[in-house]
This record gives sequence, structure tokens and C-alpha cells, in this order.
Amino acid sequence: NAGVTQTPKFQVLKTGQSMTLQCAQDMNHNSMYWYRQDPGMGLRLIYYSASEGTTDKGEVPNGYNVSRLNKREFSLRLESAAPSQTSVYFCASSRDRANSPLHFGNGTRLTVT
Amino acid sequence: TQLLEQSPQFLSIQEGENLTVYCNSSSVFSSLQWYRQEPGEGPVLLVTVVTGGEVKKLKRLTFQFGDARKDSSLHITAAQPGDTGLYLCAGAFLFYGSSNTGKLIFGQGTTLQVKP
Repeated sequence: NAGVTQTPKFQVLKTGQSMTLQCAQDMNHNSMYWYRQDPGMGLRLIYYSASEGTTDKGEVPNGYNVSRLNKREFSLRLESAAPSQTSVYFCASSRDRANSPLHFGNGTRLTVT
Repeated sequence: TQLLEQSPQFLSIQEGENLTVYCNSSSVFSSLQWYRQEPGEGPVLLVTVVTGGEVKKLKRLTFQFGDARKDSSLHITAAQPGDTGLYLCAGAFLFYGSSNTGKLIFGQGTTLQVKP
């Protein structure tokens, strides 16, 4: 019963470094999402993929890129990390868009120094 | 500008007290979801409300969707220490611009601490 699996759990980067956050779901869901969570800001949508082969920007896409590799996997890439990207990142999936409940991973805590 | 305003942001109460958390917007939702999040974990869905005026109960938790589908509330009766956590509302907007229709937007969250 893995659900949504995110790796890594923790990461420290220096400004300007790049990295990819990995996410995989085993529930055969069509839609996948990347959110960031900052104190007092709730969860903000970075990018989402309504179905395999499609991606679209969310509320805060600048500085990020995504790849929907297949139906199971949705990765988030930071090409040149900045301190403002220090956050907790959550991947989620749902059967369909929006009205379906989201199933979240346990998050990646990223610190950029 | 926060599209979904959640209040209060912090709440610290004694075991046995009642509380209400509010989620408000000027926009109409097609549905609204409530999640609970514990430290180090992702949010977990509590309930989805879809119909204006709908009331759903989950043990001591009562969720209400406003008649106009612009607001929602979560009421907890006789709070227990196990209710401690971050409560998040999330709305799927009907008419929030063509690029955002159907996206799930979260409120800032309410951190609840229930002391024994």
C-alpha cells in the first residue's frame, strides 16, 4: 500500500545547484500535482499534470520545471536553486482533476543556502 | 491576495472545548475539501462537500458548505488531544479564470493544539 512515494525526504543545496525531486504513485491515478508548503501560506500549486503527456502551470511555477514521465511518475526539477525555494515540497495524485480527493506523499524538505 | 481565507490561523484550546474553523472566498466553488496534516506527513482528506448547504459529520467533526458555495466551516465538538494538527481547506473553483478552472486551491491552514 505505497500510495504516493517521494524521494528524497531531505535535501540541502547551495544557491545555483540543480536537483530533481521524484514522485511515483501506484493507484493508477490520472492527475498528479506538485505543491510547496511554507509557514502561513498553506499549500501552493507549482505545476500539475491532468493526464499522462500533459503538464500545466499552477500558482507559483517560476524557477521550476516538471516532467510527466509516464502515468506513474511526475518529477519536479529546480535548474538553479535559490534561497526562496527553501520549502517543503509535496507530490499528490488524484483520479481526476480538482473534485477528486488528493493523495499526498510525505514531502521533501529542501533547504537552499 | 489569498483566494481562500482560512481563520483562525492558530488555535490553542483545552481538551473538551468546542471550536470552529472557517474557510471563506468571494468566488464560487464546485466543491470543497477539508484535510488534516500531522507533522512530517502529507495532508489526509477528511471530507468533500459538493452541494450548497450540505452538512457532513465525521464523529465529533461537523463540516458545512455555505448555501452559495463560497464558504465552509469545520466544527469540532469536545476536542481531544488527538485532534491536534494542521487543518486545511481546499476549493475547486468554478469560474476562477480559464487557466485555473478546476484547480484545487488551498487556504493558509489552521494549526490546532488541544491541551490535555
